[in-house]
Amino acid sequence: EVQLLESGGGLVQPGGSLRLSCAASGFTFSSYAMSWVRQAPGKGLEWVSSLTGGGGGTDYADSVKGRFTISRDNSKNTLYLQMNSLRAEDTAVYYCARTLRQLWLGFFDYWGQGTLVSVSS
Amino acid sequence: DIQMTQSPSTLSASVGDRVTITCRASQSISNWLAWYQQKSGKAPKVLIYKASTLESGAPSRFSGSGSGTEFTLTISSLQPDDFATYYCQQYKSYPYTFGQGTKLEIK
Repeated sequence: EVQLLESGGGLVQPGGSLRLSCAASGFTFSSYAMSWVRQAPGKGLEWVSSLTGGGGGTDYADSVKGRFTISRDNSKNTLYLQMNSLRAEDTAVYYCARTLRQLWLGFFDYWGQGTLVSVSS
Repeated sequence: DIQMTQSPSTLSASVGDRVTITCRASQSISNWLAWYQQKSGKAPKVLIYKASTLESGAPSRFSGSGSGTEFTLTISSLQPDDFATYYCQQYKSYPYTFGQGTKLEIK
């Protein structure tokens, strides 16, 4: 059974940093691209970042480019999101999602339960 | 960026109704479209991918159609478990983008 378990969320002041983790199990982690998708309170879904299975290819939404870094440790079956220079508008539930690629890009076939990041003074 | 626009934003319907949600892309995305269902406080679940392929385990009352810029998600006979918010998502090009969501409410 595919499982994704996020951790690392919490309350942080504007300008602060936080690192999210997503522990994966039930599939060959290194064979899949992975992504982070967020959802601000009461709002819709927003893609944040994706990373190829080998970790060599990354993409970011313009809203987080230069502040967030996605990475993975395939030996630990874990995905990360390092978030720096956090802003109030980064407040959201952050989901990690397995990305099933079809041709170049893909859709999100499994999601974690999410971890809440709140940016406030 | 490819903009995805869903209609309606809210839909009121009754158990047993046939309902259709529309998703329009600002440019052609071929059939690189997925539909998700999200219940309150839960993570989204994929229902349909590649515009019309039913995800394994998704009920057969859900179907998708369309290509290019116009797509539909149809629920053939609404069940109590179907009242939720639905999102479309394009995966033709980065950045991935979602529709704003359609909330399906009980009439």
